[in-house]
Amino acid sequence: AQRVTQPEKLLSVFKGAPVELKCNYSYSGSPELFWYVQYSRQRLQLLLRHISRESIKGFTADLNKGETSFHLKKPFAQEEDSAMYYCALSGRYSGGGADGLTFGKGTHLIIQP
Amino acid sequence: GAVVSQHPSRVICKSGTSVKIECRSLDFQATTMFWYRQFPKQSLMLMATSNEGSKATYEQGVEKDKFLINHASLTLSTLTVTSAHPEDSSFYICSARDRGKNEAFFGQGTRLTVV
Repeated sequence: AQRVTQPEKLLSVFKGAPVELKCNYSYSGSPELFWYVQYSRQRLQLLLRHISRESIKGFTADLNKGETSFHLKKPFAQEEDSAMYYCALSGRYSGGGADGLTFGKGTHLIIQP
Repeated sequence: GAVVSQHPSRVICKSGTSVKIECRSLDFQATTMFWYRQFPKQSLMLMATSNEGSKATYEQGVEKDKFLINHASLTLSTLTVTSAHPEDSSFYICSARDRGKNEAFFGQGTRLTVV
């Protein structure tokens, strides 16, 4: 069975400090990993996916198959980064990565001024 | 950008009645839509995959007769909660896959309260 674990329910850091949101997964095949973000009173939206290898809003995430991790990082946190962050996995269907997702429980990131 | 709209955004119904939730892709065609459920302070759980023109695929533990899914067109999927009970109270979220962008977009969610 596939599973996504986000060990931190809440993470509070000061503005300008580095941020790392942890995500570990369990899946027997080759998964596709995503980070979704939900700002206050807004819908869930895609932040980034591992196959794109891109940096969005200063965030990056590297898939580490050895450690089965996909941690989200940003070197200098900004107040507007405060939101709920969900790590998600797609693995049951082929290709695309836009199939049914398995979500972690989410981490509430608070950036203090 | 791609927009997915859910209606209603919140609904209160009496126990034993049925409630229909609509999910529409406003500016793209979605051959596949997904329905999730989210309990308070918990994660989103995939309930079913809705395929246009065919039967939905339900996740293990989800009652297909209780949660009826219809995907009659490329822009609309509906979830009907039949004979609702208070334990069905939850936040239901849909997402629609935009093949052109190879990405799924989420609706704003529907808060269902069964009294």
